[in-house]
Amino acid sequence: EVQLVESGGGLVQPGWSLRLSCAASGFTFEDYAMHWVRQAPGKGPEWVSGISWRGGVIGYAESVKGRFTIARDNADNTLSLHMYSLRLEDTAVYYCAKANEPRRWLVGKWGQGTLVTVSS
Amino acid sequence: VLTQSPGALSLSPGERATLSCRASQSVPSNYLAWYQQKPGQAARLLIYDASSRATGVPDRFSGGGSGTDFTLTITRLDPEDFAVYYCQQYGTSPLTFGGGTKVEIK
Repeated sequence: EVQLVESGGGLVQPGWSLRLSCAASGFTFEDYAMHWVRQAPGKGPEWVSGISWRGGVIGYAESVKGRFTIARDNADNTLSLHMYSLRLEDTAVYYCAKANEPRRWLVGKWGQGTLVTVSS
Repeated sequence: VLTQSPGALSLSPGERATLSCRASQSVPSNYLAWYQQKPGQAARLLIYDASSRATGVPDRFSGGGSGTDFTLTITRLDPEDFAVYYCQQYGTSPLTFGGGTKVEIK
């Protein structure tokens, strides 16, 4: 069974940094692109970042470009999101998601999410 | 930009639901997906490549369209289908979601 377990969320002040992690299991991690998607309270989802199966292709939403860094460790089956210079508008549930099929970019299964709250 | 309409749909179980997603530019290769989200849950992939059903999705869900105009049809609404539905394009980066359509019980 595919499992995606996010961790690292919490309450931080504006300007602080935070690192999210996602532990993946139940599939061949190195064959799948991975994504981070966030959802602010009461709002629709927003794609944050994605990374291809070997890490050679990376993309970011304009809203986080230059502040967030996505990375993956295929030996450890983990995905991470380093978030810097956090803003109030970064408050959201952050979901780790895997591509639906190997070597495709399409977002498939999502984890249960971890809440990041940016507040002074 | 993906624009979904209507914003909300009030229907009864057993009725047909038709949801629309319009893109401001043509979606490359019709790389358009539909997701279902229930309160307090992560979204679930229903349809990808505009018309392919994801694994385990009932056949009452179907997707259609191409270019800039796409639809999600639920032929006979089941009580478990009342939820919010989002379209998403993954043909260009950044990936983008529509604003959602809430299907609610009449």
